[in-house]
Amino acid sequence: DGGITQSPKYLFRKEGQNVTLSCEQNLNHDAMYWYRQDPGQGLRLIYYSQIVNDFQKGDIAEGYSVSREKKESFPLTVTSAQKNPTAFYLCASSISGVEVVGYTFGSGTRLTVV
Amino acid sequence: AQSVTQPDIHITVSEGASLELRCNYSYGATPYLFWYVQSPGQGLQLLLKYFSGDTLVQGIKGFEAEFKRSQSSFNLRKPSVHWSDAAEYFCAVVPSGNTGKLIFGQGTTLQVKP
Repeated sequence: DGGITQSPKYLFRKEGQNVTLSCEQNLNHDAMYWYRQDPGQGLRLIYYSQIVNDFQKGDIAEGYSVSREKKESFPLTVTSAQKNPTAFYLCASSISGVEVVGYTFGSGTRLTVV
Repeated sequence: AQSVTQPDIHITVSEGASLELRCNYSYGATPYLFWYVQSPGQGLQLLLKYFSGDTLVQGIKGFEAEFKRSQSSFNLRKPSVHWSDAAEYFCAVVPSGNTGKLIFGQGTTLQVKP
């Protein structure tokens, strides 16, 4: 079955460390997205990529980095510059173009700074 | 400012009662409109979407939503709520002419009383 896989489900990070969250999709979708979810704030866009080797900053990109070397993969690195990284991170994908059918979401990674 | 607003942060209804979750948007042209549902610790699942045409759209799990251009609203409804509907619900839009980025409301948490 096609879908999006996020790993790990839970991640603990010490202050000052970089960590990388994995997102893989086998839906053959062109576009991929990373959102951060905090209680009471909905989902906020971190980065998105509409094609391989290209990506754009979203609304809260500071302290994060991404790469898009393969169509099926869009890893997110939370760097030590991110002041408050504890959150639930969601990856999504969609077909790109005029016909928007909504996103398919992964099951998320909960990151906790210890 | 362009935004998506879900006025109700938390709603409690009795099982079997009807439900309406509100969503308002402030974009000049009619955007693409979506409702998603999220169970605790999980990703988001698409309930329904509206692009054009009939303003009453049917979705999964017995949900429907009505687009009202004059009120810039896209409210989600269900005639009879089940205990399994307890979850967080997000309204989202893709502004027309946008690159396909989904913009989310803050979410409404639904609690169902037995």
